[in-house]
Amino acid sequence: NAGVTQTPKFQVLKTGQSMTLQCAQDMNHNSMYWYRQDPGMGLRLIYYSASEGTTDKGEVPNGYNVSRLNKREFSLRLESAAPSQTSVYFCASSDTQAGGARETQYFGPGTRLLVL
Amino acid sequence: AQSVSQHNHHVILSEAASLELGCNYSYGGTVNLFWYVQYPGQHLQLLLKYFSGDPLVKGIKGFEAEFIKSKFSFNLRKPSVQWSDTAEYFCAVPLPRGAGSYQLTFGKGTKLSVIP
Repeated sequence: NAGVTQTPKFQVLKTGQSMTLQCAQDMNHNSMYWYRQDPGMGLRLIYYSASEGTTDKGEVPNGYNVSRLNKREFSLRLESAAPSQTSVYFCASSDTQAGGARETQYFGPGTRLLVL
Repeated sequence: AQSVSQHNHHVILSEAASLELGCNYSYGGTVNLFWYVQYPGQHLQLLLKYFSGDPLVKGIKGFEAEFIKSKFSFNLRKPSVQWSDTAEYFCAVPLPRGAGSYQLTFGKGTKLSVIP
């Protein structure tokens, strides 16, 4: 039982390049999330998915797209990377309905992205 | 605006000192409360959570937190810290985002450095 896994662990991009961050969970959770973590800013929600086939915007969705490929996998795509997207990206999943008041989220190890 | 505040950005303690990290939230309704910990280079892990009942909640590794409704606070405590407690600590509260759903909202984090 690996929990939440993310690939790659580290990536360097040039401005304008595209890439997809992968996330998978083996806990049979319905809800999945993408966050970015910046120094002094805490975690900010980019997108989330309450179930397979559904996605919704979070606090900072601009410049990103997501795909809920199946129940296990939730990918984050940067179509044209910008230096402002340099960050650490965390994927999370939860066993309760997204948006529940008692939802406990479980996090992956993160992807460090540097955009030059 | 609804928010979660952690007033201490960086706390430096010697081993065996007592710890208290502050967390305040601005929301007048019923709340559920979480503390997550992020050890250097690792992902966020759940430290403890409060949903209802005894306002003094015990978590892993000797941590506890007290919910004081009148002060809108959920402070994290540990009687005697160890070098291995060096980490960043995040308070998180599900805050309403409309249509009966909630978004897990994180404070900006408090970095704890424990000196041997």
